[in-house]
Amino acid sequence: SQQGEEDPQALSIQEGENATMNCSYKTSINNLQWYRQNSGRGLVHLILIRSNEREKHSGRLRVTLDTSKKSSSLLITASRAADTASYFCATDASYSGAGSYQLTFGKGTKLSVIP
Amino acid sequence: DAGVIQSPRHEVTEMGQEVTLRCKPISGHDYLFWYRQTMMRGLELLIYFNNNVPIDDSGMPEDRFSAKMPNASFSTLKIQPSEPRDSAVYFCASSPPPGTGHYNEQFFGPGTRLTVL
Repeated sequence: SQQGEEDPQALSIQEGENATMNCSYKTSINNLQWYRQNSGRGLVHLILIRSNEREKHSGRLRVTLDTSKKSSSLLITASRAADTASYFCATDASYSGAGSYQLTFGKGTKLSVIP
Repeated sequence: DAGVIQSPRHEVTEMGQEVTLRCKPISGHDYLFWYRQTMMRGLELLIYFNNNVPIDDSGMPEDRFSAKMPNASFSTLKIQPSEPRDSAVYFCASSPPPGTGHYNEQFFGPGTRLTVL
């Protein structure tokens, strides 16, 4: 079953604008990750946020996590044409406070950045 | 490191034929995952291994699918007999052990695009 669900399914923006993607999940987690997939390629890890963290930055990426709402957002600032890709959130399952190596991926948000 | 290596990159076969997909994980990684990606169902975990031992194969769709990991540097996913509904992109991913700074992060291969006619 799908743990993470991204919203929106597709997003089209102009270069230079910010892109925000959201992810909702259902069960307790140990951490949440975001991955990017370029067309025809494998997924690439972007950032991991632990359940005791609320916000994390990496370059132009900003991730927030709200465990009370079981939701996360990924913000890409000053977007570039090269950011065009699908973005997936992935959650592990939390068993008695320990994490799981098994991840469940959402269906992704397809981002198009128009030059 | 060359990253996760998968072969073949593309496979076209006829219904009923046996298909074998191959994966070489990143050296030193002790977790290996097989996924299937389709437009309808997204990315589905089929099976994963830890130290060459299958841990969870509940995602394997049916008995036609089997996976092995004979050693730390090689894994196969076999479909026998193949059916048109098996057409998808199959990904292999690997993860390093704890304490490496990349806990729980999965490194994906480029995938094998399988078409069953």
